[in-house]
Amino acid sequence: DILMTQSPSSLSASVGDRVTITCRASQSIINSLNWYQQKPGKAPKLLIYAASTLQSGVPSRFSGSGSGTDFTLVISALQREDFASYYCQQSFSIPPTFGGGTKVEI
Amino acid sequence: QITLKESGPTLVKPTQTLTLTCTFSGFSLTTPGVGVGWIRQPPGKALEWLALIFWDDEKRYSPSLESRLTLTKDTSKNQVVLSMTNMDPVDTATYFCARREGFYDSTGLQYYFDYWGQGALVTVSS
Repeated sequence: DILMTQSPSSLSASVGDRVTITCRASQSIINSLNWYQQKPGKAPKLLIYAASTLQSGVPSRFSGSGSGTDFTLVISALQREDFASYYCQQSFSIPPTFGGGTKVEI
Repeated sequence: QITLKESGPTLVKPTQTLTLTCTFSGFSLTTPGVGVGWIRQPPGKALEWLALIFWDDEKRYSPSLESRLTLTKDTSKNQVVLSMTNMDPVDTATYFCARREGFYDSTGLQYYFDYWGQGALVTVSS
């Protein structure tokens, strides 16, 4: 299985801050990397797929980059509704595996 | 509008078999490329993929749980059923079903889970 490691596991930020979350794969996954946002008690929501493609309806303050083993999710200017947990997921091989999550707190 | 919803017991006893149903609308599991997956999340922990069934009835299972999992689909009812045998308290989690969508780009197959159900909390306890 491909191991996905996210960092940090949690971070504190303020509205307006630029936030960066990283995800590292245990082997190259080219660009087969998705990002999800999850709020407490809710299902995950797809933000970005194929490393950098914004899902329809997702605000442009979210962006993704990276290839190979190292990937980044950036929130350019944090909004109150962005306080949530974020997960990366590789789709390069079966089984699809998720990172351990990053909780973005005030 | 695409929706998915999980249904099933909220409490099961250790060693029992869990059966969860995902009822969906707004898409068809006969469309090439489409799949429905199951993902679970223990309280306060990360997401774990369990299984995936495709439009052509191909099934894929988590290697660590494969011996305990069975997926079936009923395309006439727009349902996917997940069975997990020999439940244990460590299987306590919220179980989600989600649509798997995919496409090919220059690097190969890309897929993602774009629509999710609300989740069903299953507690395993005697």
